[in-house]
Amino acid sequence: AQSVTQPDIHITVSEGASLELRCNYSYGATPYLFWYVQSPGQGLQLLLKYFSGDTLVQGIKGFEAEFKRSQSSFNLRKPSVHWSDAAEYFCAVGAHTGNQFYFGTGTSLTVIP
Amino acid sequence: DVKVTQSSRYLVKRTGEKVFLECVQDMDHENMFWYRQDPGLGLRLIYFSYDVKMKEKGDIPEGYSVSREKKERFSLILESASTNQTSMYLCASSLPTGGKQFFGPGTRLTVL
Repeated sequence: AQSVTQPDIHITVSEGASLELRCNYSYGATPYLFWYVQSPGQGLQLLLKYFSGDTLVQGIKGFEAEFKRSQSSFNLRKPSVHWSDAAEYFCAVGAHTGNQFYFGTGTSLTVIP
Repeated sequence: DVKVTQSSRYLVKRTGEKVFLECVQDMDHENMFWYRQDPGLGLRLIYFSYDVKMKEKGDIPEGYSVSREKKERFSLILESASTNQTSMYLCASSLPTGGKQFFGPGTRLTVL
């Protein structure tokens, strides 16, 4: 069965520290992989996506993610976190046909000064 | 600028009322989706539509129905609202060939 696991419910980091949010997926075919960010009271905004090719993808706001097929992972990273990065982050996997989309349960990020 | 809009940001209804949540996208997308978002559960798919008048059940369709009479508009209907349907409802759209979904701002529904 298809699923997405984000093992960390909540993470707290200091401003300026590095960040890694974990995502593992289970999917029967080659997946499309996504990271979304949701600020309080807002909808979801796409940070980055992986379809094929280079397994290290760059996104907006200085985020990047690496697709590791052998580990079924797509972890999100940022070298230096800013206070404005505090939000909820969702990993998602989608089918190439576009009619299936599975989200993880989200990781809430708190940034302390 | 691409846009997905939802008719209300906040909605309060009483148990047993019929509730309509509207979603409109201006990107000519074939696919549209309705999710509900609850703490600790992430986003769960209620229904999706891949064309006008076409719909498919998602993971939690019970208690909901949908309508897609025009390509740009996808409505979620709660026939008889219940308190366990208090949630944040998110609409999204995408192209049919896979790819990212564009999300609306969400409707926070409270059923009293």
